[in-house]
Amino acid sequence: NAGVMQNPRHLVRRRGQEARLRCSPMKGHSHVYWYRQLPEEGLKFMVYLQKENIIDESGMPKERFSAEFPKEGPSILRIQQVVRGDSAAYFCASSPTGQGQNTEAFFGQGTRLTVV
Amino acid sequence: KQEVTQIPAALSVPEGENLVLNCSFTDSAIYNLQWFRQDPGKGLTSLLLIQSSQREQTSGRLNASLDKSSGRSTLYIAASQPGDSATYLCALSTASKLTFGTGTRLQVTL
Repeated sequence: NAGVMQNPRHLVRRRGQEARLRCSPMKGHSHVYWYRQLPEEGLKFMVYLQKENIIDESGMPKERFSAEFPKEGPSILRIQQVVRGDSAAYFCASSPTGQGQNTEAFFGQGTRLTVV
Repeated sequence: KQEVTQIPAALSVPEGENLVLNCSFTDSAIYNLQWFRQDPGKGLTSLLLIQSSQREQTSGRLNASLDKSSGRSTLYIAASQPGDSATYLCALSTASKLTFGTGTRLQVTL
């Protein structure tokens, strides 16, 4: 059973370009979460999605960032017109059910975005 | 708003020592608490999950406790090894997300 798969592992973008980060959850998991880890900072929640629905996007910047989790295929975190401050590690996690006492979140290896 | 603090921020111990990492939180309305380890440039590996109704969990040389009334959790590592060197993160689960502490960077020396 493969774990949470993220690609690419490393992504370099020039300022103003678009970045697309992909996350395939563990088999059987229909809940996906995105977190961002800025240099020398802790992980911060961005968005929680269930198939075809955004459940909680309270951590998403209001502009340039969007996320989707279509019926088929991976979850995508999209950053438009990237700026240097977007440089960070972006982690995806998945769980079989929504957050609850028994719910354990499993994380991918992350995508390290560098904006030059 | 949940705030999670981990003390110490960094710790260096000689191999073989037992050690305790601390995590404190402000909001006890949680589903569970997870401890993770993160190696440099890598993802997060889940170590232990304690449900809000539980007091502790054990896995091998690791033991985690949870005291919701005082807003504290500890991760106890017995007989530390150089391979335990990593950053350890605690995370509190609420309705739709995990709230992370800033971590304790552990170095186990030979």
